[in-house]
Amino acid sequence: DAGVIQSPRHEVTEMGQEVTLRCKPISGHNSLFWYRQTMMRGLELLIYFNNNVPIDDSGMPEDRFSAKMPNASFSTLKIQPSEPRDSAVYFCASSLEGYEQFFGPGTRLTVL
Amino acid sequence: AQKITQTQPGMFVQEKEAVTLDCTYDTSDPSYGLFWYKQPSSGEMIFLIYQGSYDQQNATEGRYSLNFQKARKSANLVISASQLGDSAMYFCAMREGPHNFNKFYFGSGTKLNVKP
Repeated sequence: DAGVIQSPRHEVTEMGQEVTLRCKPISGHNSLFWYRQTMMRGLELLIYFNNNVPIDDSGMPEDRFSAKMPNASFSTLKIQPSEPRDSAVYFCASSLEGYEQFFGPGTRLTVL
Repeated sequence: AQKITQTQPGMFVQEKEAVTLDCTYDTSDPSYGLFWYKQPSSGEMIFLIYQGSYDQQNATEGRYSLNFQKARKSANLVISASQLGDSAMYFCAMREGPHNFNKFYFGSGTKLNVKP
């Protein structure tokens, strides 16, 4: 099993640019989660999906953030326009029926 | 109120000794799950152990055990025979509700340093 796949692993962009982070969950998992981790705030849940449907997006910081899951094997997190305070590591995780989450390797985003 | 509280920002333990990392949780839902994750300096999040709210026995996985005290709402992680490779951040997490609801909450973490 390939595990959760995230791309890109590193992203450096300039303020104002659009950023798209991608995630492929583990095959067969029915829940997908997007997290953001910073030193100041720790690990924050941004949004999660059940069976491709967004269930709770209360953690999405602003309208600049949006997430989609068009099918069971793919999700995107988009930031438009990006700001320096969005710099963080963004994790995607998937799980089956509420058991343990398996995390991807993360995307380290730097917004200059 | 915080759903998951980890009161130890950092801890030291001597190699080969046992260490307990504290975690308390807050929920009124009778169905929930408790998890521990390890995050080494390389950054990946590694699942360690799971305890369901209806499980009668404490969960164990190798050198990891979860000291589940339901009445006190605590789910402490015990690592026996610490190894240098155990140095990492440890996060306690809770899934609130039954399995088809997946609201997860993470604590702020405990940084464990194992001394040789």
